[in-house]
Amino acid sequence: QVQLQESGPGLVKPSETLSLTCTVSGDSVSSESYYWSWIRQPPGKGLEWIGYIYSSGATNYNPSLKTRVTISLDTSKNQFSLKLSSVTAADTAVYYCARESIPAGDYFDYWGQGSLVTVSS
Amino acid sequence: QSALTQPASVSGSPGQSITISCTGTSSDVGGYDYVSWYQQHPGKAPKLMIYRITYRPSGVSNRFSGSKSGNTASLTISGLQAEDEADYYCSSFTNSISLVFGGGTKLTVL
Repeated sequence: QVQLQESGPGLVKPSETLSLTCTVSGDSVSSESYYWSWIRQPPGKGLEWIGYIYSSGATNYNPSLKTRVTISLDTSKNQFSLKLSSVTAADTAVYYCARESIPAGDYFDYWGQGSLVTVSS
Repeated sequence: QSALTQPASVSGSPGQSITISCTGTSSDVGGYDYVSWYQQHPGKAPKLMIYRITYRPSGVSNRFSGSKSGNTASLTISGLQAEDEADYYCSSFTNSISLVFGGGTKLTVL
């Protein structure tokens, strides 16, 4: 059974960098069959795709966040990570990691439980 | 890239059928067969219910079905049950940013 689990600080100060890690079990982030993605959901609002990383290290980001986002892979720990810089209150959201099918933009079949990150001083 | 358009809310009585629409453009919903639907209960992660317009993942009830006509995709739930009350989101591949979600629809079972 594939499982994903987000971890990281629940509170980040404005202008600082949000960092989250997703630990994968039951599959390998080195798999060539999937992308590994981040999606967020502001409180009471809808879902927003942030970006994905492939086993080769190739990435693709939502243009609206592209200048502030970095997604990376740690194959030794079977993890992938999200960094979002220069955060503001608008970045307060539940952040989900998910496994995304190939081709990209198809579907997300496994999701983490989500991690609430609040941006506040 | 704007979100796909979904009705804010729909409702139905137990046993009835309801349909949730998801409208996009020829650059996303209308141009590709990569439309998916997700169910989200309060405080929970989204769950994949339909992918590639009509396909159901293993374990998803056959009361859930999907279709597409032109730039609009639809999710139909037949034999409505209390446990179906949740938020539903569509998503589609888009040739501009890879993937876009709908704004979400709250389903109320009366």
